[in-house]
Parts: sequence; C-alpha cells; structure tokens
Amino acid sequence: EVQLVESGGGLVKPGRSLRLSCTASGFTFGEYAMSWFRQAPGRGLEWVGFIRSKAYGGTIEYAASVKGRFTISRDDSKSIAYLQMNSLKIEDTAVYYCTRLISSSSIAFDIWGQGTMVTVSS
Amino acid sequence: QSVLTQPPSASGTPGQRVTISCSGSSSNIGSNTVNWYQQVPGTAPKLLIYSNNQRPSGVPDRFSGSKSGTSASLAISGLQSEDEADYYCAAWDDSLNGVVFGGGTKLTVL
Repeated sequence: EVQLVESGGGLVKPGRSLRLSCTASGFTFGEYAMSWFRQAPGRGLEWVGFIRSKAYGGTIEYAASVKGRFTISRDDSKSIAYLQMNSLKIEDTAVYYCTRLISSSSIAFDIWGQGTMVTVSS
Repeated sequence: QSVLTQPPSASGTPGQRVTISCSGSSSNIGSNTVNWYQQVPGTAPKLLIYSNNQRPSGVPDRFSGSKSGTSASLAISGLQSEDEADYYCAAWDDSLNGVVFGGGTKLTVL
C-alpha cells in the first residue's frame, strides 16, 4: 500500500525549532518529488514547499511565507522527507501534510499523509 | 486572501448536478493546469482532478473538470451525501513560483 506517515509535530514556543519527518512506503521514494503543505485551524490549504527527485536535480522551492526559516530535505536511502522549521511563529500553527507529486509533468499531489499538528504557543 | 477565487459555499440535493468555479489569472490558471482536491472535515485532502480534467484511479466519473482561459470548474453529477466536503482548486503560479489555492468551497448535500 502506498503510504506517507508524518511525525514530529507537537507544542513549541515561538522562536524555537521543530523537525517533521515523512516516512514513505509502497513506492520507489527516490523517483518522486515530495512536498509539504499546511492548514491552519479552520483555514484553507497552503503550500509550504517541495523538493524534486535527484533525477531532476533535487532542487527545492519554498513559499514566500517560510523561505529562510524552513528547510526541506530528503534521504532516499531511508525513504524519508524532512521539514526543518526554525524561528517558528504563532502563525505557523497548523496541521502539516506531506505529499507526493503525481508526476514530473503535472504539479498535482496524489498521495497525502494523515498530517501532524504543530502548535506554536508560549 | 487566496490567489484563486472560489465561492465559499455550494449546495444541491441528491442526484443533482453542481458546479464549483475557480477564477485565477494569466500567471496561474491561464498558463498552467488546474487540480482539484476534496477534503472531508477532519481528514487529509484527496486529489480529485489533475491536469484540468484527468481523474486519478478510483475517482468516480461523476466528477469532471474543465478549464477555459483563466477560469476552471469542477462538476459533480448524481450528487451523493458522501460528496459533502470542502473542495479546493489549485495551480502553479509562475509569478509567485509556487502552488496557489482557492479558499475552498463547502459543498452541502441537502
């Protein structure tokens, strides 16, 4: 079964850091770009960023709202994608989802994890 | 304020056909494909339509998508109670260099 499982969420104080992990199974992880999204309580979906596969240079794109604070990385040997979040702000409070890009020709995300909650509060 | 514009709500009775619109600009819908996601409250989003009108495996053909210029729409025919959910349109934006979403449309099955 194709699956993504996020972990690492929790309660953190403003200004602190947190690292989320996304463990993939059921597909050849290294062949796919991976992306992170978030959804604040009661709000809509927001793209955080994505990392391309090694075949496409492994390059990374970020949303303006997180650029310079968040870092996406991947370990293809472990089938894990990471989201390192630094200098966290209260407005970063959200459910964070890990997703898989459906293909190189379409920027659509076909597999989603169950999400992990990040709460930034003093 | 979302980059793509959707109506906040839509409704229909079982068996009806409903459409949800999504309006953008030349930098997003006008130059890139549109995708639609369905989210039942409390669960993760699910890809419903990609590349304007393609259905992933397992999505019923009651769901269809279309695009014209800088607008797109999602149509649901033969409405069922389990279709009650939030629906989001999304596209790549060349100016923002990122994925942009509509604010979501809450579909109620009366």
